[in-house]
Amino acid sequence: DTAVSQTPKYLVTQMGNDKSIKCEQNLGHDTMYWYKQDSKKFLKIMFSYNNKELIINETVPNRFSPKSPDKAHLNLHINSLELGDSAVYFCASSQDKGWVSNTEAFFGQGTRLTVV
Amino acid sequence: GQNIDQPTEMTATEGAIVQINCTYQTSGFNGLFWYQQHAGEAPTFLSYNVLDGLEEKGRFSSFLSRSKGYSYLLLKELQMKDSASYLCAVRGGDDKIIFGKGTRLHILP
Repeated sequence: DTAVSQTPKYLVTQMGNDKSIKCEQNLGHDTMYWYKQDSKKFLKIMFSYNNKELIINETVPNRFSPKSPDKAHLNLHINSLELGDSAVYFCASSQDKGWVSNTEAFFGQGTRLTVV
Repeated sequence: GQNIDQPTEMTATEGAIVQINCTYQTSGFNGLFWYQQHAGEAPTFLSYNVLDGLEEKGRFSSFLSRSKGYSYLLLKELQMKDSASYLCAVRGGDDKIIFGKGTRLHILP
């Protein structure tokens, strides 16, 4: 079973369109993230949710809106896509730190978004 | 502000040892991670340090000095499959995991 799965794996779309990327984790983790990896391979955090609540909202355009229907899902909706949105988007999850010493993030396989 | 620095690229020879350094400045500290990422794939977890010292795991070791804001990843007996990007990431006081820009490691035969 895939621990963190995101769909689609590839997404090619025209400028101005609206698209969504879905993410699900079956690890029972409390925290989920969206990261954007640009052409220079820099992995930058966009959002983080903990138990369905938004806890991190980095400086991203408000065209990007995360939605967390439950703690196992964190979807990313993007409105009015622009050329500069082309990147690989990674979903990840981690357990709350709590008393657990090793709480690394597990990543989905990424969604390669190409805006033409 | 928060900042994580690591070299952009490194080259090493198959069978040799390479050390990838990472320095960080963050608001609070709750652990440092090293991830490996092959081209076109997701990052995969390599190591975690929260206390000072060396953590060894097979051919890979990771070191942390919290007072210096410094870590390194040591790769021994390099293999061609070790050609990848290595990402240093820090969990800050807010539990947010921030990544460095990654070090692309090239292994020569």
